[in-house]
Amino acid sequence: RKEVEQDPGPFNVPEGATVAFNCTYSNSASQSFFWYRQDCRKEPKLLMSVYSSGNEDGRFTAQLNRASQYISLLIRDSKLSDSATYLCVVKSPGGSQGNLIFGKGTKLSVKP
Amino acid sequence: NAGVTQTPKFQVLKTGQSMTLQCAQDMNHNSMYWYRQDPGMGLRLIYYSASEGTTDKGEVPNGYNVSRLNKREFSLRLESAAPSQTSVYFCASRSSLNTEAFFGQGTRLTVV
Repeated sequence: RKEVEQDPGPFNVPEGATVAFNCTYSNSASQSFFWYRQDCRKEPKLLMSVYSSGNEDGRFTAQLNRASQYISLLIRDSKLSDSATYLCVVKSPGGSQGNLIFGKGTKLSVKP
Repeated sequence: NAGVTQTPKFQVLKTGQSMTLQCAQDMNHNSMYWYRQDPGMGLRLIYYSASEGTTDKGEVPNGYNVSRLNKREFSLRLESAAPSQTSVYFCASRSSLNTEAFFGQGTRLTVV
């Protein structure tokens, strides 16, 4: 099992749709969780951290389920500008990843 | 506030040539990272430096060397470039183990 797994997509949705991404991680000792956004030919940028109680930032909601070892990102009322690749990132102890482990990303395309 | 600055942004090398990718951060972060990103592979860690004076191998270190010159700067060197090293390279930094990483704008390297 890979350390962090995401559905690669692409997710093609119309404007205004609600879309959800899931991410699973293998190390139960993982400590911190993040969602990053990466636009085409740009660097990844932090979208939001994921807290144990779940958290919301405008149209974006992140959830963490430690028992099942998965993280989710919900985007409501999708905008054209939400089109990007969304990376799930997990901080785990030890390993060769410098503690930050990136999923391969889920591509979202929002259409008019 | 410049954040993480990488140079150059683009580079074409011939097989066997050497070059150094430069990275500097002005956020007083302890940890710095070098990643490569290839289509379908996601971000893979090459080397990281948890603090000034220390460096460690990541997932794909072969063919690369690094130097943590001081707290601000972390360079990546290709001693003898190979076509397999054609990729987009990202430098990143973060302040502590539980915080997010900030990325530079990337270097697009082509080895012919």
